[in-house]
Amino acid sequence: GENVEQHPSTLSVQEGDSAVIKCTYSDSASNYFPWYKQELGKRPQLIIDIRSNVGEKKDQRIAVTLNKTAKHFSLHITETQPEDSAVYFCAASGNEKLTFGTGTRLTIIP
Amino acid sequence: DTGVSQDPRHKITKRGQNVTFRCDPISEHNRLYWYRQTLGQGPEFLTYFQNEAQLEKSRLLSDRFSAERPKGSFSTLEIQRTEQGDSAMYLCASSLGPGGVHEQYFGPGTRLTVT
Repeated sequence: GENVEQHPSTLSVQEGDSAVIKCTYSDSASNYFPWYKQELGKRPQLIIDIRSNVGEKKDQRIAVTLNKTAKHFSLHITETQPEDSAVYFCAASGNEKLTFGTGTRLTIIP
Repeated sequence: DTGVSQDPRHKITKRGQNVTFRCDPISEHNRLYWYRQTLGQGPEFLTYFQNEAQLEKSRLLSDRFSAERPKGSFSTLEIQRTEQGDSAMYLCASSLGPGGVHEQYFGPGTRLTVT
């Protein structure tokens, strides 16, 4: 089955700096890669996703890149703000189910 | 609220008791998923439905777990003879379908504590 690894597990950045979270996947059949943000005690919230026919996607301060050959994808957050503090999960899917990474706790330092 | 809803939000039960959780998906979504999340981990897939048909079950889903979606709308997840290891957040998600992989939107979860 699919295996998703996510790094780093914790990340602290100064407010206004950029944050990058990286994930690798094992199943070459995976073709959908969403990112979720989860604040303490709340539901995972879909923030951006990318499909395998696209190399990069942007939405305001958030971008995701995908390298199918290397089987890795990354989340980039620019101009970080305190409200970006949360746990971020990457996931991969080749059929219906999502396989999640272990999460990155992002802390924005004011 | 037109998002995914789950009930109850919290459940405390004693070991050996049965519990049932309910999930109401976004109204136009015909796919419904159950995941389990333990502290410090990402959600783990348990099972999913396309309308009323249960199409896939994880090996994580032991015989004590059963899920239904009788009319293709809401779903229930029952755990029989609960064990302390069942303590977790049980998340429901829904998506459009059929055909291809669609965005999954999660509910707030049911936090189960088995004492």
